[in-house]
Amino acid sequence: DARVTQTPRDKVTEMGQEVTMRCQPILGHNTVFWYRQTMMQGLELLAYFRNRAPLDDSGMPKDRFSAEMPDATLATLKIQPSEPRDSAVYFCASGLGISGRVNEQFFGPGTRLTVL
Amino acid sequence: AQKVTQAQTEISVVEKEDVTLDCVYETRDTTYYLFWYKQPPSGELVFLIRRNSFDEQNEISGRYSWNFQKSTSSFNFTITASQVVDSAVYFCALSEALGGSNYKLTFGKGTLLTVNP
Repeated sequence: DARVTQTPRDKVTEMGQEVTMRCQPILGHNTVFWYRQTMMQGLELLAYFRNRAPLDDSGMPKDRFSAEMPDATLATLKIQPSEPRDSAVYFCASGLGISGRVNEQFFGPGTRLTVL
Repeated sequence: AQKVTQAQTEISVVEKEDVTLDCVYETRDTTYYLFWYKQPPSGELVFLIRRNSFDEQNEISGRYSWNFQKSTSSFNFTITASQVVDSAVYFCALSEALGGSNYKLTFGKGTLLTVNP
């Protein structure tokens, strides 16, 4: 059955290194979301794309984080340079955005990032 | 601002007990949607239910049921005859309109449910 896929599943890196996380949304979904989950803050929305255009990235630290959708089948979240406080699980979710309706989001398995 | 409160941080029950997870929300939107997600130990978030603000009918799906009370801004989730496989973190979420037909979800902090054999 259709699922959101994310790579890598686990990433351990050293402070200052660049980290790129990838997401393949469910085919046909036109909205993509990036979330970060930590024990302290819970689930936070970092960025939101609709039809590949970024609509809301107010939750994302702009100086080091960037999110893109090079095509409809790939979303990327990049951290450069990474810091220990970026350690978290990063989730990608996709959904079908239809005018006048809020549909459920389907989540990927997440990328567990550890920055040493 | 949107807010979702799940006051129960952790709940522990014995198998076959019924358990209710509370969710209280705050919103200025007149039309909104509420969701419940389950996050088992494997880590992936699993969609359980979506409810729009115009539909206050309670819903039942197998051992799961949801009670939406607009008057008290609550959307509670009950598991009947709990099973060990129900052990997970459960999140309640609320939609927030961003303008046009765009929206985002605000999640509660989650309730960790442990069902003991």
